[in-house]
Amino acid sequence: AQKITQTQPGMFVQEKEAVTLDCTYDTSDPSYGLFWYKQPSSGEMIFLIYQGSYDQQNATEGRYSLNFQKARKSANLVISASQLGDSAMYFCAMREGRWDQGAQKLVFGQGTRLTINP
Amino acid sequence: GAVVSQHPSRVICKSGTSVKIECRSLDFQATTMFWYRQFPKQSLMLMATSNEGSKATYEQGVEKDKFLINHASLTLSTLTVTSAHPEDSSFYICSARVTGRANNSPLHFGNGTRLTVT
Repeated sequence: AQKITQTQPGMFVQEKEAVTLDCTYDTSDPSYGLFWYKQPSSGEMIFLIYQGSYDQQNATEGRYSLNFQKARKSANLVISASQLGDSAMYFCAMREGRWDQGAQKLVFGQGTRLTINP
Repeated sequence: GAVVSQHPSRVICKSGTSVKIECRSLDFQATTMFWYRQFPKQSLMLMATSNEGSKATYEQGVEKDKFLINHASLTLSTLTVTSAHPEDSSFYICSARVTGRANNSPLHFGNGTRLTVT
């Protein structure tokens, strides 16, 4: 079964609009972390935002925020006031367990290709 | 900070030859590094976890004799694709986490290596 599911292969948004990229996950571990990465066409992976399973508040980093709904096992990325430079692939990833307790890897979703139109 | 350097960025080799890809953490120590493979327009698939001073841990289905991993120091891991075939053509990307950091610390990625086997 897929651990991380991103159901939107592609999204098209007008510049300056907000956009929500969906991510659902599946784990039985009560301790986990959720990450979002951006991958431009050049290929590098850029870390955007993190949400821990025990975090009480939704994470925010500048124009990025994470809509964390634990009961629904969803961790959607919200980008406010989109810019042309936001066009890229976006990946949701999950770490089961904690780094300091032996968790060893991130598992990635299929990705969503976001295109910002001028 | 937390820069991961990967070299080469592109390599073209003939079928049957071996190719070595280097992954260096430039300003931090990484006891663990991760090697991912990405096919065009697809997600990142973890190939193996590289552990400094010990054998790498390979994911199911990844041939350890074909993809040799060496983690000789706290700042360098290498992936050697042995006897390369055209089906090994892909984007290989390494990542590392700053050892000892908190649980919200992300994986930092190199810029990837695009391997083409002719």
